Amino acid sequence: AQSVSQHNHHVILSEAASLELGCNYSYGGTVNLFWYVQYPGQHLQLLLKYFSGDPLVKGIKGFEAEFIKSKFSFNLRKPSVQWSDTAEYFCAVNDEDSSYKLIFGSGTRLLVRP
Amino acid sequence: DAGVIQSPRHEVTEMGQEVTLRCKPISGHDYLFWYRQTMMRGLELLIYFNNNVPIDDSGMPEDRFSAKMPNASFSTLKIQPSEPRDSAVYFCASTPGPREEKLFFGSGTQLSVL
Repeated sequence: AQSVSQHNHHVILSEAASLELGCNYSYGGTVNLFWYVQYPGQHLQLLLKYFSGDPLVKGIKGFEAEFIKSKFSFNLRKPSVQWSDTAEYFCAVNDEDSSYKLIFGSGTRLLVRP
Repeated sequence: DAGVIQSPRHEVTEMGQEVTLRCKPISGHDYLFWYRQTMMRGLELLIYFNNNVPIDDSGMPEDRFSAKMPNASFSTLKIQPSEPRDSAVYFCASTPGPREEKLFFGSGTQLSVL
C-alpha cells in the first residue's frame, strides 16, 4: 500500500530562518503530490501541488517544493519564515492506480517564534 | 458558495453513545471524503463517495463506524457505540470530479468521547 512519511513531527524556528520540511512517498509509479496547511483553528488549505512538468513548484505565501523522483521526495521549503507561518503542514500523494485516494502524511507542526 | 459545511463544530459525548457527524459538500462536487485527524496517526482517509456511492471504505476503523450519502448534498458519518479512542477531528472534503487538483475541506468536527 502506498504511504507518505513526514520525518519531522515538530519544528521550531525563529523568524527569518529558512525552512525545509521533508516528505517521502512509497509509490513507484506516476503520482500527484500536494502540500496542505492548517493554520490554528482553521481548516485545511492547499499550499501547492505537483502534477507534471517543472519539478520545482511555487505555491502561495512564498512556499515552494521540489519533486525529486529518484528520491521519492517532495520537500517543502521557504527561504525566510514568518510568525504567521505557524501551522501544521501535511504532505499528500495520490497515484493513478488508486484513482482518487489521497493519502496524507502524519503532519509537521511548525512553530515560528517572533 | 459557502464551502463544505460540517456540523456540529464540537461534539462531547459519553462512551457508548451514538454520534452522528454531518457534511454538506459544495454543490456540483461529485466526490466526498471523510478524514480523521489525530495526534498519533495524522490525517487518515476513512471513506470516499463518488456520485453518492461509496467507492473505498477500507479506512473505516471497524464496524462501529458507518457512513452514508443519501443524496448529492448530504453525508453522515456515524459511530455507534462511541469509545474514547474515537476522539479526534473529523474532516469532510469534496471535489468536482476525477483528477481534480485539490480537495475543499470543511472546518471539521472536534469529537471528544469521555
